[in-house]
Formats: sequence, structure tokens, C-alpha cells
Amino acid sequence: AQSVTQPDIHITVSEGASLELRCNYSYGATPYLFWYVQSPGQGLQLLLKYFSGDTLVQGIKGFEAEFKRSQSSFNLRKPSVHWSDAAEYFCAVGAPPLTGGGNKLTFGTGTQLKVEL
Amino acid sequence: DAGVIQSPRHEVTEMGQEVTLRCKPISGHNSLFWYRQTMMRGLELLIYFNNNVPIDDSGMPEDRFSAKMPNASFSTLKIQPSEPRDSAVYFCASSLRDSRNTIYFGEGSWLTVV
Repeated sequence: AQSVTQPDIHITVSEGASLELRCNYSYGATPYLFWYVQSPGQGLQLLLKYFSGDTLVQGIKGFEAEFKRSQSSFNLRKPSVHWSDAAEYFCAVGAPPLTGGGNKLTFGTGTQLKVEL
Repeated sequence: DAGVIQSPRHEVTEMGQEVTLRCKPISGHNSLFWYRQTMMRGLELLIYFNNNVPIDDSGMPEDRFSAKMPNASFSTLKIQPSEPRDSAVYFCASSLRDSRNTIYFGEGSWLTVV
């Protein structure tokens, strides 16, 4: 069974500083990996996803993530954080279901990002 | 395009009452998912449908929970009877029937059972 670990529950960074959110996954085959962001009172919005190919993927809002198979990691990065980036971030791993169909995602427990002005 | 639409957005109900949450997936999407989010357990997949057929309901907590998808544009998640421990945010999500497609989430139904 697949699983995702986000070791940091809370992270605080200063506006303008760089950001890295950690994500480690467990899956027996090539994983499909995702980062979602959730603002307070809102649903989850996709930031970026990795299926194959280039291991460095670009997403919306200036975010990027790098897939490292040897470390089973898919860390999210942003060079310069803005106050509006304060939110909760979820890493997820997807597995093609045996019967075919939509992607079934398993989520990490999330990392709450606080941005200090 | 309209996203995934959920109703109600907020509901407060008394223990023992029936709760019905509704979801309209994105038009053209044929996979639908129900997730539950709590502080203690995070995001849990309850059930998902493919072409209106339930594929995996192993995440449904117990018999008090049931989900239906009578057609491609509507799904319900019902809790009967409700209990305080059911208080959570329930998300509906949809995607196209391809494992590489993005799952789009609704804004959630915030349920409080008192």
C-alpha cells in the first residue's frame, strides 16, 4: 500500500525567504506524485504533479518540486515566499487502480506554513 | 467552467439525525471521490466511483455511512444516524477516467454534529 510522510507539521518562514517542504513516499512502483495547497475554509488546489520524465516539475504560483527516486522524496520549493502563501500544503501519492479509472490519492498529514512579515 | 459543487457548505445537526451531503462533479468527469478531513486523521478517502459504479468503499467508516451516484452529474454521501465523531469536513472530488488526470476538489461540506 502506498503512504506519504510529511515530517514537518508546522513551518514558519519570513516573507522573501526560500521555502522547502519535505515529502517522502512509499510505493512499490513508479509513483504519481502531487502537491496540493489548502487555504483556510477552502478546498484543495493542485500546485503541481509528477508522472514521469523530467524530475524537476514546475507548478503554479512559482512553486517547483523535485522527484528523487533514490530518496523516495518529492520536496516542494519556492525561492521567495509571499505572505499569501500561508496555507496548508499536502503531498499525495497516486496509484493506478487495478480496475482502471480515476487516480486514487493517498495524502500526507499536511504542513502548515506560516509567513512572517 | 464550474468546478466541483458541494452542498451544503456548512451544516450543524443533532446527534441521531440523518445527514445528506451532495456533490455535482465537473461536467465530463467520470471518476468521483469522497474524502473526509479531520484534525486527528487528516484526509481519508472514503469511497470512489468510476462511471457511477462504486469501485472501492473500503474507507467508509461503518454502516452508518452510505454513498450513491445515481447519474454522472450527482452523488450523495449519507450518514444515518449521525454521531459527534462524524464532525469533519467532507470533500468531493472528480477527475477524468485516466490515472494521469488531475483530481479537482470541491470546497467541502463542513459538518458539525452536536
